[in-house]
Formats: sequence, C-alpha cells, structure tokens
Amino acid sequence: AQSVTQLDSQVPVFEEAPVELRCNYSSSVSVYLFWYVQYPNQGLQLLLKYLSGSTLVKGINGFEAEFNKSQTSVHLRKPSVHISDTAEYFCAVSDFSNDYKLSFGAGTTVTVRA
Amino acid sequence: DTAVSQTPKYLVTQMGNDKSIKCEQNLGHDTMYWYKQDSKKFLKIMFSYNNKELIINETVPNRFSPKSPDKAHLNLHINSLELGDSAVYFCASSLQGLQNTGELFFGEGSRLTVL
Repeated sequence: AQSVTQLDSQVPVFEEAPVELRCNYSSSVSVYLFWYVQYPNQGLQLLLKYLSGSTLVKGINGFEAEFNKSQTSVHLRKPSVHISDTAEYFCAVSDFSNDYKLSFGAGTTVTVRA
Repeated sequence: DTAVSQTPKYLVTQMGNDKSIKCEQNLGHDTMYWYKQDSKKFLKIMFSYNNKELIINETVPNRFSPKSPDKAHLNLHINSLELGDSAVYFCASSLQGLQNTGELFFGEGSRLTVL
C-alpha cells in the first residue's frame, strides 16, 4: 500500500514571503499526484494535479508544484503568500495498484501572518 | 449549481440519537465516497459506492450505514451516536473506468457535534 508523508505539520509564514510544503510518497509504479487546499470551515478543493508531461505543474492561486520521480516527492510552492492562503494543505497520490484510490497525507497547516 | 452538495452543514445532537447526512452530486460521476475528518484534520475513508454498489467498506462500526438510492446520491445514517463520532464528514465523487485518475470532488462537509 502507498504511504504519503507531509514532512511539516505546521508552517507559519509572513505575508509576501515564499512558502514550500513538502510531500514524499512511496510507490514503485507510475502515479498521479494531487494537492488539495481546505480553507477554514470549508471543503477540500483541488489546487493542482500531475497526471503526465511536464514535472512542473501550475495550479490555482499562484501555487505550483515540482514532481521529482527519483526522489518520489511533489513539493508545493508559492513565491509570495497572502493572508488568504491560511489553510490546510493536503498531498494525495493514486496509482493503478489500488484501483486509483487516493491516499492522503496528514495535512500541513499554513498560517500566514501580517 | 453546486457539484457535490451535502446537507445539513451543521448537526448538533445528543448521545444515543440517530441522524442522517445526505449527499448529491450533479457531475455524472459513477463513484461516491464518505470521508471522516477528525479534530486533527486527518482524512479517513469510510465507504465508497460505485453505481449504487458498495465497493469500499473500511473498518467502520456497523452503527454507520450508507445508502445509495441511485448513482447521484449517497446518504449516511448513524445510529446510537457516540461522543467519538463528532467530526466533519465529507462526501466526494469521482470518475470511474478509463478516465479515473483518483481525483476527488468534495462537498462542503457536514460538521457533526455529539453532546
């Protein structure tokens, strides 16, 4: 079974500073990769996804992620955060070995301060 | 025209009561799910239905009973509620077959508080 590890449970960051959220996964086969965001008291919405092609994926709200197959990682970045980026961020992975059922990481809480 | 909608959004009830949460999706997806999110934000899959048929049933007490009257609806009924059932319950849907990548489309969540 896959496992997804988000290396930071909490990331405090100042407004307009860059942020990087780290995610590693364990899978020996081709994978699909996702980052979801959950704003306070809301559901999860898709930030970005990697299915194939370029390993640099652009998402919504200025986020992007770099997929590194050799290191089995997909780190999420934003060059300059806003207060409104305060949220929970989830990394998720799927592959054919479990019928593409998503495996989620434990989440990273990003708190943006002025 | 919400894609995945759940009702109610908030539910406060006493221990021992029975309650239901409803979910509907208008995306034309074949597969629907229930997830539980605990106070630490951890997401745990509970059930999955594909075209009204149960395909995933994780280790969940049998007080929880999902029902799918058609592929656009998946309801969750909980009997004899306990304090530990307090959580946010998310409904989700996905494509199946050749178009399936695992991508989930989530509802807004139903926050259940058991007193």
